[in-house]
Amino acid sequence: AQTVTQSQPEMSVQEAETVTLSCTYDTSENNYYLFWYKQPPSRQMILVIRQEAYKQQNATENRFSVNFQKAAKSFSLKISDSQLGDTAMYFCAFMGPLNTDKLIFGTGTRLQVFP
Amino acid sequence: KAGVTQTPRYLIKTRGQQVTLSCSPISGHRSVSWYQQTPGQGLQFLFEYFSETQRNKGNFPGRFSGRQFSNSRSEMNVSTLELGDSALYLCASSHVPPGLAGESYNEQFFGPGTRLTVL
Repeated sequence: AQTVTQSQPEMSVQEAETVTLSCTYDTSENNYYLFWYKQPPSRQMILVIRQEAYKQQNATENRFSVNFQKAAKSFSLKISDSQLGDTAMYFCAFMGPLNTDKLIFGTGTRLQVFP
Repeated sequence: KAGVTQTPRYLIKTRGQQVTLSCSPISGHRSVSWYQQTPGQGLQFLFEYFSETQRNKGNFPGRFSGRQFSNSRSEMNVSTLELGDSALYLCASSHVPPGLAGESYNEQFFGPGTRLTVL
């Protein structure tokens, strides 16, 4: 069975600084997707970034980038130039094998961005 | 395009009652998944439906059931409610799951959730 572990329950960062959220996962699958989702307080879950396991290149989306280490089964999220609007719960999630939309989530990291 | 909608947004029930939650996916989306979110257990997968067929089921008791209609709208039902069923129930939709029918990845979009409180 696949598992996703987020070892940082809470993190804080000052506005404009950089923060990295950690995630490790366990799977015997070779083809899968990894995601970071953001859930702002009392608001909807939205996708931040995704990574296909077959791609060696790390995904980037504006200020958000990942460090995907397939052999180590590690998938960290780096947020550069943190903004107050980045304050949210961040969930790492795994999808696999393919032909399913089932997501396995980590326990989440609560990120607080301070002015 | 309208997003994923869930009704009702808030619900209060008492132990032993049953409840039905509804999810309307984004127009054109045929895959609907349900998740339970609680402070203690986090986000746990409940079911996945595609073209009216349940394709995946999470590790929940038989009191939790669901279905999908021909217009892709989905409902989930919880019978004989327990205090521990209090949670935020999230629905997500996508066009087609990746790998199915030759499709590559299609983003899943989440609804705002239904907050169920069991007293």
